[in-house]
Amino acid sequence: KAGVTQTPRYLIKTRGQQVTLSCSPISGHRSVSWYQQTPGQGLQFLFEYFSETQRNKGNFPGRFSGRQFSNSRSEMNVSTLELGDSALYLCASSLAMTSTDTQYFGPGTRLTVL
Amino acid sequence: DAKTTQPNSMESNEEEPVHLPCNHSTISGTDYIHWYRQLPSQGPEYVIHGLTSNVNNRMASLAIAEDRKSSTLILHRATLRDAAVYYCILRDVSGGSNYKLTFGKGTLLTVNP
Repeated sequence: KAGVTQTPRYLIKTRGQQVTLSCSPISGHRSVSWYQQTPGQGLQFLFEYFSETQRNKGNFPGRFSGRQFSNSRSEMNVSTLELGDSALYLCASSLAMTSTDTQYFGPGTRLTVL
Repeated sequence: DAKTTQPNSMESNEEEPVHLPCNHSTISGTDYIHWYRQLPSQGPEYVIHGLTSNVNNRMASLAIAEDRKSSTLILHRATLRDAAVYYCILRDVSGGSNYKLTFGKGTLLTVNP
């Protein structure tokens, strides 16, 4: 079974631009979560989607948004990029949304904002 | 969110057992204890989880204190491939649908050949 895939793997943008990152979950998984990883803040939760609905959101500004499609694929968008948005963005999928479901992480998208 | 405390780093020798501790004194009765690890240049991967009883799987064992205020991840024979950051996470189930993973700083495990 194919793992979680994220595209693109690397991205360079300039301040003020917007970016869209894509995540394809493991087949059959209905829940997708997004995380931001930086050296200073570590791994931080962005949001979680289940059945095309955002179920939970982390403490990030409104410039960060996401959506999930009917095939469970998910995208996240960051508008008006800032230098501090440079990070590794990780997507994770799980079968459902329970406290025991394993989250399977993708390799991440490395975003650099210049 | 209930918090966890882990040592910043630990060192081990190859083929020796490793005991990675985690303190979670504010754990609630329905919080599951999860362990994930992140190898260099990869996304985190699931290791093991438990609620009250000790758990074993092909990767590791999880020993949970009787009062659940601490737990220990046990790698029975460390290999070079086990060098990673290990995260102890309490799976938050409060609020009805809040299943996010809240990562702390984790423990950087170095395995010496």
